[in-house]
Amino acid sequence: QKEVEQDPGPLSVPEGAIVSLNCTYSNSAFQYFMWYRQYSRKGPELLMYTYSSGNKEDGRFTAQVDKSSKYISLFIRDSQPSDSATYLCAIGGGSNYKLTFGKGTLLTVNP
Amino acid sequence: SQTIHQWPATLVQPVGSPLSLECTVEGTSNPNLYWYRQAAGRGLQLLFYSIGIDQISSEVPQNLSASRPQDRQFILSSKKLLLSDSGFYLCAWTPVSLSYEQYFGPGTRLTVT
Repeated sequence: QKEVEQDPGPLSVPEGAIVSLNCTYSNSAFQYFMWYRQYSRKGPELLMYTYSSGNKEDGRFTAQVDKSSKYISLFIRDSQPSDSATYLCAIGGGSNYKLTFGKGTLLTVNP
Repeated sequence: SQTIHQWPATLVQPVGSPLSLECTVEGTSNPNLYWYRQAAGRGLQLLFYSIGIDQISSEVPQNLSASRPQDRQFILSSKKLLLSDSGFYLCAWTPVSLSYEQYFGPGTRLTVT
């Protein structure tokens, strides 16, 4: 079983839609959960960072962690064409300061 | 504020040639530093990481090496490139006090011909 699994998509939605992006993970020791946004030919940009369980909201973005199910989600409300990018989940834990990344989901928001 | 630089931005090199990619972080001290490679359909692959200037750990055995000549400088090298070394190389840093928040540089796109 892979440490982090993420549906690669692609996902195509109309402008204004609510987008749900998800990852599952296998190692229950993971405590740190990130979402990155990567535009084409650019470096990933850290969007959201959550420690342990619960929700975190930042503007139109909400990150959720369900440790009992080993499942993390990123919700985007009122999606915009500028949200079109690849979204990567990343998970970490332990003392080695490493992150394990999902393969990314390609999102297209159509005007 | 902190910034991270990578150069060159793009590189085309023949098989068998050497490689040197540079990453520099400004505005911080004693960062954790990372090298990743991103190939199409394969996600982000961690190549090397450095927790402190005197420690570099390798994740994947291959013909690449890494060095950290200064606190905020991370170098990725190869003596002889392979076709399979083509990809998008990303450097990332983490402030020691914020252990898992990695911030990425703009990347170097390497094509080995």
